[in-house]
Amino acid sequence: SQQGEEDPQALSIQEGENATMNCSYKTSINNLQWYRQNSGRGLVHLILIRSNEREKHSGRLRVTLDTSKKSSSLLITASRAADTASYFCASSRNAGGTSYGKLTFGQGTILTVHP
Amino acid sequence: GAVVSQHPSWVICKSGTSVKIECRSLDFQATTMFWYRQFPKQSLMLMATSNEGSKATYEQGVEKDKFLINHASLTLSTLTVTSAHPEDSSFYICSAREQILPYEQYFGPGTRLTVT
Repeated sequence: SQQGEEDPQALSIQEGENATMNCSYKTSINNLQWYRQNSGRGLVHLILIRSNEREKHSGRLRVTLDTSKKSSSLLITASRAADTASYFCASSRNAGGTSYGKLTFGQGTILTVHP
Repeated sequence: GAVVSQHPSWVICKSGTSVKIECRSLDFQATTMFWYRQFPKQSLMLMATSNEGSKATYEQGVEKDKFLINHASLTLSTLTVTSAHPEDSSFYICSAREQILPYEQYFGPGTRLTVT
């Protein structure tokens, strides 16, 4: 399956600044999720936004979804050094049966937050 | 929240040998599990969908005879990398999908495979 695109590929900021990452996908979706991955570790689920939602908040995270442009953005406000990680978007298509839940991951953004 | 475990967390094997990786849903049943592969500094690529009691569905370009998947119970799926080669060295991650609405999906911690 083709993967979506994310930009930037790498982002370096200072603590306290906001970090914005963008993601594009190729097909119509049921929902889009954002994950975080520390180096060499598993995935941590951050937030899910459904196709009929435009914006969602969770703590310092804000996610937007524009289905007309097939794009999403993740904003992390007041970043901390501990936010340093790779961030991936993953889209879930409108597929039924056992294909339900298949995720297509974006290329990811490597975020570095300097103390 | 629900927990998915993987065993082993890392493994080193010699070229030509086979390696089995287990994915377990610890506190829920999962009819469907997914196997992903992640090369260094790259994203996750779906390899196959593992269905309890039936054959796995492989993504295009993934050799089913090389990556054997068995989903023998509602809490366990295994991925066997047969005749492993150095190019199979990667991070393998599984996820398990709950059987009940809203069909939440949970990821395992991953298995680092190094083939020498």
